[in-house]
Amino acid sequence: AQTVTQSQPEMSVQEAETVTLSCTYDTSENNYYLFWYKQPPSRQMILVIRQEAYKQQNATENRFSVNFQKAAKSFSLKISDSQLGDTAMYFCAFSHYGGATNKLIFGTGTLLAVQP
Amino acid sequence: KAGVTQTPRYLIKTRGQQVTLSCSPISGHRSVSWYQQTPGQGLQFLFEYFSETQRNKGNFPGRFSGRQFSNSRSEMNVSTLELGDSALYLCASSTLSGTAAYEQYFGPGTRLTVT
Repeated sequence: AQTVTQSQPEMSVQEAETVTLSCTYDTSENNYYLFWYKQPPSRQMILVIRQEAYKQQNATENRFSVNFQKAAKSFSLKISDSQLGDTAMYFCAFSHYGGATNKLIFGTGTLLAVQP
Repeated sequence: KAGVTQTPRYLIKTRGQQVTLSCSPISGHRSVSWYQQTPGQGLQFLFEYFSETQRNKGNFPGRFSGRQFSNSRSEMNVSTLELGDSALYLCASSTLSGTAAYEQYFGPGTRLTVT
């Protein structure tokens, strides 16, 4: 079965601090991408960061970075210097590539609240 | 470059009616996917289109259908609406080519309420 598990339904962090959101996934495929999406109260789904499974180097995008552990099928998101605008629901997702579909499989999300 | 647009943004329908939602992808994107988001089931894949062909379909009843036009715009249709169809319907587009081939960019969604 292809699944994504986010075990933290809610998290809270103080402004300017660092927070890590957890994600584990399960797939029997070797070729896939992993993503973190952010959905603020406006409901607009925004791509935060992506990681190709064949790359060992962890992806970074400004204050956002991931810790990708392929053997453990773990893909956590670290947000540094948290800002009020980071308050949102965060979804971990993966999709296979090289096949006949581009569909995303999502986790249940982690609601992150950044406190002033 | 304009983002993914979805129309209408909000819709209220009655049980038994049908509804059509529209999605215009980012210019140059030929792949369009649809997702349903509900509090109970989370984000679920509905279908995916590429070059007017359905590439994949999620586990939804036949009341849910879609299509893609030659300009890559896509529509989804839900017939005989049920209360459980109330959801946020999200459309996403991607290029399926180049280094960002598999990045999907989402529209703002259509909030459908069935009464």
